[in-house]
Amino acid sequence: DAGVIQSPRHEVTEMGQEVTLRCKPISGHNSLFWYRQTMMRGLELLIYFNNNVPIDDSGMPEDRFSAKMPNASFSTLKIQPSEPRDSAVYFCASSLSEVAEAFFGQGTRLTVV
Amino acid sequence: GDSVTQMEGPVTLSEEAFLTINCTYTATGYPSLFWYVQYPGEGLQLLLKATKADDKGSNKGFEATYRKETTSFHLEKGSVQVSDSAVYFCALLGNTGKLIFGQGTTLQVKP
Repeated sequence: DAGVIQSPRHEVTEMGQEVTLRCKPISGHNSLFWYRQTMMRGLELLIYFNNNVPIDDSGMPEDRFSAKMPNASFSTLKIQPSEPRDSAVYFCASSLSEVAEAFFGQGTRLTVV
Repeated sequence: GDSVTQMEGPVTLSEEAFLTINCTYTATGYPSLFWYVQYPGEGLQLLLKATKADDKGSNKGFEATYRKETTSFHLEKGSVQVSDSAVYFCALLGNTGKLIFGQGTTLQVKP
């Protein structure tokens, strides 16, 4: 398996623009996590899905952030409108079940100027 | 809610020194515990895990023991190498299904 695949690897956008990050989990995994990593706050859990259903989105910073998982093989994290403070590395991870370890993608480095 | 606390870094050691990175947790029930490692520019990789009390996880010379009585999962290695330089994250998977990470500890090993 190719592992968790995220795209794009790097994104530079202007403040106010919409940004969409994409994730393809490992086939057969039924839990999916979105994290944000910054120097100041470390690794923050934004939202996680189980069987394509959002279970906990309490980490989503504000209404500008939204996440979807339309099917078992694809998820998106959207920021609209983007702001410079959203600049971070965003990771997607998937796991086989709610009790198994998670496998991470390579991350998307987002820069909002 | 569930939480993980790691010792602050950076930790700087000479090659072949003994490593300990402390990790304590707060959780309801009986979480699974993990150590992940992140090399520069990469995602997190699972290093080792333990799923119940007194379990010892081990991999690549690293070890950690799940201590329920002290709610700890300290990472140890007897002899570190330059290639071990990375950021190490302690994490727990609680009964809510949330995977929670500590703040990470940067390890730098000098030749």
